[in-house]
Amino acid sequence: GAGVSQSPSNKVTEKGKDVELRCDPISGHTALYWYRQSLGQGLEFLIYFQGNSAPDKSGLPSDRFSAERTGGSVSTLTIQRTQQEDSAVYLCASSFLSAGRADTQYFGPGTRLTVL
Amino acid sequence: AQSVTQPDIHITVSEGASLELRCNYSYGATPYLFWYVQSPGQGLQLLLKYFSGDTLVQGIKGFEAEFKRSQSSFNLRKPSVHWSDAAEYFCAVATSASDMRFGAGTRLTVKP
Repeated sequence: GAGVSQSPSNKVTEKGKDVELRCDPISGHTALYWYRQSLGQGLEFLIYFQGNSAPDKSGLPSDRFSAERTGGSVSTLTIQRTQQEDSAVYLCASSFLSAGRADTQYFGPGTRLTVL
Repeated sequence: AQSVTQPDIHITVSEGASLELRCNYSYGATPYLFWYVQSPGQGLQLLLKYFSGDTLVQGIKGFEAEFKRSQSSFNLRKPSVHWSDAAEYFCAVATSASDMRFGAGTRLTVKP
């Protein structure tokens, strides 16, 4: 079946504007993750959704960042009042988890966000 | 706190040469261990993973990794590198579904 998809692939915005990034996980995957990858850096965990449980928001860098997952499927990451330091590639991943054990995460191609 | 270290930021090898990419982790118990590859303009793809059992793990594209508990390491190896292996490689460590940590990555350049 289809892999993880993300849209848009590229987003250029002006400082202070809000942006929404979308992730469509693999059908049937119960877990969904958002990461941020800055130039030359590793992946920075942002947020994790698992089924109907409350999301793990421990990685969100500020209250300008929020995310939701509707119907246990599609997720939207929202960044309010964007700043230049928000420029990065935002990656989404999904996984089919059993008993909360870590397992392979399948990544989307990412959204490259540029804040001018 | 759990951490993952990839000591080599950039490695250059000649095509056909062997490769070893290092990964060390810091955690009290044996975590789940992963290696991912990110080719230019591509998403991350799983190469291999270790959960338990045989400490030598075979992956895709001819890669293997060996878990060494005594050294807290999970180094990635390939006996003969191909030009198409040029990419960024990430080691990842997880203790649970919500706690996966990635290393900073090692960029591999392959010389003809």
